[in-house]
Amino acid sequence: DQQVKQNSPSLSVQEGRISILNCDYTNSMFDYFLWYKKYPAEGPTFLISISSIKDKNEDGRFTVFLNKSAKHLSLHIVPSQPGDSAVYFCAASANTGFQKLVFGTGTRLLVSP
Amino acid sequence: SQTIHQWPATLVQPVGSPLSLECTVEGTSNPNLYWYRQAAGRGLQLLFYSVGIGQISSEVPQNLSASRPQDRQFILSSKKLLLSDSGFYLCAWRAMGTGTQYFGPGTRLLVL
Repeated sequence: DQQVKQNSPSLSVQEGRISILNCDYTNSMFDYFLWYKKYPAEGPTFLISISSIKDKNEDGRFTVFLNKSAKHLSLHIVPSQPGDSAVYFCAASANTGFQKLVFGTGTRLLVSP
Repeated sequence: SQTIHQWPATLVQPVGSPLSLECTVEGTSNPNLYWYRQAAGRGLQLLFYSVGIGQISSEVPQNLSASRPQDRQFILSSKKLLLSDSGFYLCAWRAMGTGTQYFGPGTRLLVL
């Protein structure tokens, strides 16, 4: 049962344009959502998060939007840069003591010059 | 600042051999610690988590085990490796009261 889904395995964008990565979830108990960026053979790097009490969080070029009614979140990167090329994972957790993260399968972003 | 270390970075082991992967965290106390595995082309799967010394919970039944002998040390072990144990193993930590986990550099394990 895939509780967190990233339906686009890959995305290609030109440098300077907007990248939009999407994520859907099924568990209504999830109340905290995160995006991680991962290069090959490295650990994921935390990018940005959002609590379910908000619908938007912004940090520099990165903005995460949360639509609770649709159980959908998205990551916007503006402007996209070639260094953004990586695999992006969304993750979600419910408010439990150990904060288990459930990850999507990732979207590979390629930003071309 | 906090840092997380994992070693070895890469490991090639024969089927049936034992395994020991180590993870240590610096710059924080009483962290929650996690072991994940990423199989080829797949997402991250939680294997074990620990909320304190000697306290281990398993998420997936398998031939792996975990131990936390010290506050900031987390060890992943196996007595006999299987081919299916191949993958990228990641350790992560989380400060109490926060929601974000931070990952180590990972260990690539290849079982032949």
